[in-house]
Parts: sequence; structure tokens; C-alpha cells
Amino acid sequence: QVQLQQWGAGLLKPSETLSLTCAVYGGSFSNYYWTWIRQPPGKGLEWIGEINHSGGTNYNPSLKSRVTISVDTSKNQFSLNLSSMTAADTAVYYCARGNSGTYRFFDLWGQGTLVPVSS
Amino acid sequence: DIQLTQSPSFLSASVGDRVTITCRASQGISNYLAWYQQKPGKAPNLLIYVASTLQSGVPSRFSGSGSGTEFTLTISGLQPEDFATYYCQQLNIYPLTFGGGTKVEIK
Repeated sequence: QVQLQQWGAGLLKPSETLSLTCAVYGGSFSNYYWTWIRQPPGKGLEWIGEINHSGGTNYNPSLKSRVTISVDTSKNQFSLNLSSMTAADTAVYYCARGNSGTYRFFDLWGQGTLVPVSS
Repeated sequence: DIQLTQSPSFLSASVGDRVTITCRASQGISNYLAWYQQKPGKAPNLLIYVASTLQSGVPSRFSGSGSGTEFTLTISGLQPEDFATYYCQQLNIYPLTFGGGTKVEIK
């Protein structure tokens, strides 16, 4: 059974950089787009960006200047870095598996990591 | 960006009711739409993709329809475990976007 397990730092101060990692257990790492999505408390979902096993990326333009998504195929892991965090970035961050092809839906999700940003 | 507007944003229903949620896109997206269910404290769960294809393991009381700019999610015979928040997502125009959500609560 394929699972996504994510981890990373919790509470951050303004201007710090968020770093999260997501590991894929029990399934193929190729042929998918590995994705980060966030959800501010009590609000809706925002797509952050995605990466494939070859390292090809797509980012949300609203975050592109601050986001880096990377992949480590030797460990079946992918990571999110989001720099210059502010209180507006407070959210639950999810990793997710996106299907390959011309359209993208998310059929497998990590457990989510709440990242508060506060001084 | 494609804006997805869900209606209603909140609805109150009883077990056994037929419930319909609408998602309208700011421009045509063919059938490239998915629906998710999210329960408090949990990650979203994929229900339907490309407008009407039921994800494996999802009960058949869930169905989706629509194309272009207007889509619907229908729950035929609401069950206690269906009380949750539902989101639509457009699948193929970057940046990928989600609707604002519809919370289904017990009447």
C-alpha cells in the first residue's frame, strides 16, 4: 500500500524558511507528479507546485519567487522550501501524488503538517 | 488564473437526502474537474476526476457531471459519514486551483 509520510519544522518566525520533506513508501516514484498543497486554518486549498522524478517543476506564480521543490530519487523523497515566511503563510502543508499526463488530480495525500508563523 | 466558485458554501441536510453541489469555472475547462471530500483534521480524499469518473473505492452514491464551465457533485442518499467539506479542482490549467469549498452539515 503506497503511503506518503511528511515531516519538517513546525513553528517558524517571520523571514525564516520553511523546509518540508515527503517520502513515498511502497510504490513507484516514477510516472507521477509530486505536489505540495497548503490550506490556511479554516480556509480552502492552494496548489504550491509540483515536481516529477526527472526534476521538472511547475510552480504557482503567486509563490514562485520564494518556492523551491526538489527531488531525491535515491530515497523516493521530495522536498519543499518556502523562503521569507510571513504570518500569511501559516497553513497546513500537504504533500500529494499527482497523476502524469495532460491533467492532474491528487489521489494520495500525506498527513499534513501545520506550520504556524509567529514572532 | 481559473476561478472556481462553489455553491452553496454551506448546506444543511438530513441522512437520506439527495444533495447537489455546483462548481462554476471562470472559463471553459472541458471536463477537467475533480471533486474531493475533506473531514476535519484530515487530508482531502479524491472522489471524482474528469468530471464524472468515480475514484476506486468511492461509494456509488457519489456522482459527478458537467463540462465547460458548470459542474455538479451529487450525493444520492446522504450517509452519516458524508458530512464533510467538499472541494472542486480544475485539472489542467496552471496554476491548478480549487473551489472555496462546500460544508455539508447535519440538519
